[in-house]
Amino acid sequence: RKEVEQDPGPFNVPEGATVAFNCTYSNSASQSFFWYRQDCRKEPKLLMSVYSSGNEDGRFTAQLNRASQYISLLIRDSKLSDSATYLCVVPSGGGSNYKLTFGKGTLLTVNP
Amino acid sequence: DTGVSQDPRHKITKRGQNVTFRCDPISEHNRLYWYRQTLGQGPEFLTYFQNEAQLEKSRLLSDRFSAERPKGSFSTLEIQRTEQGDSAMYLCASSLRGPGVWTQYFGPGTRLLVL
Repeated sequence: RKEVEQDPGPFNVPEGATVAFNCTYSNSASQSFFWYRQDCRKEPKLLMSVYSSGNEDGRFTAQLNRASQYISLLIRDSKLSDSATYLCVVPSGGGSNYKLTFGKGTLLTVNP
Repeated sequence: DTGVSQDPRHKITKRGQNVTFRCDPISEHNRLYWYRQTLGQGPEFLTYFQNEAQLEKSRLLSDRFSAERPKGSFSTLEIQRTEQGDSAMYLCASSLRGPGVWTQYFGPGTRLLVL
């Protein structure tokens, strides 16, 4: 299994749709996870952190299944502004988890 | 702007030339990271500093690459004898250090094109 593997995408959805992205990771010792968002030709920005079974922030819900080593990101009521690449990120590097391992990203386009 | 800054934002160079990039982290952050991102891929870890100490270097960082953070503030990444395969976005990030995981904040990146 790759260190971090994401749905390859791309996803094209209409405004208002619900869309879900999946991610699997190989390091069973990982304790926390992130979803970053990256707009075209911009830097990645933290969208959500996931430390337990899940986390919800408005229209965004991240879920974690440690047994399956699987993370998901659900976006409800998609907006045009949600169009971006979504990166699944797993920290590693001993106790301080300094190194972020990124998936390749899943491109989302929300259409009017 | 109190975020991470990088300079230059774009660099075009000819194969074999040396290039140097600068990163200024968020002022109170004692950790600084360099990543490289190529088209269609997520960023890949290159190296990181805690204050002025370089604590890890990825195998991706060949001997043509060197990074410094001399006073524990800004950092430079130098690539000697550039190759076309070095063309990528070079991202710098910074964070605080502490137990657990601290959010890494990324700069806008330096986009390098080697001709």
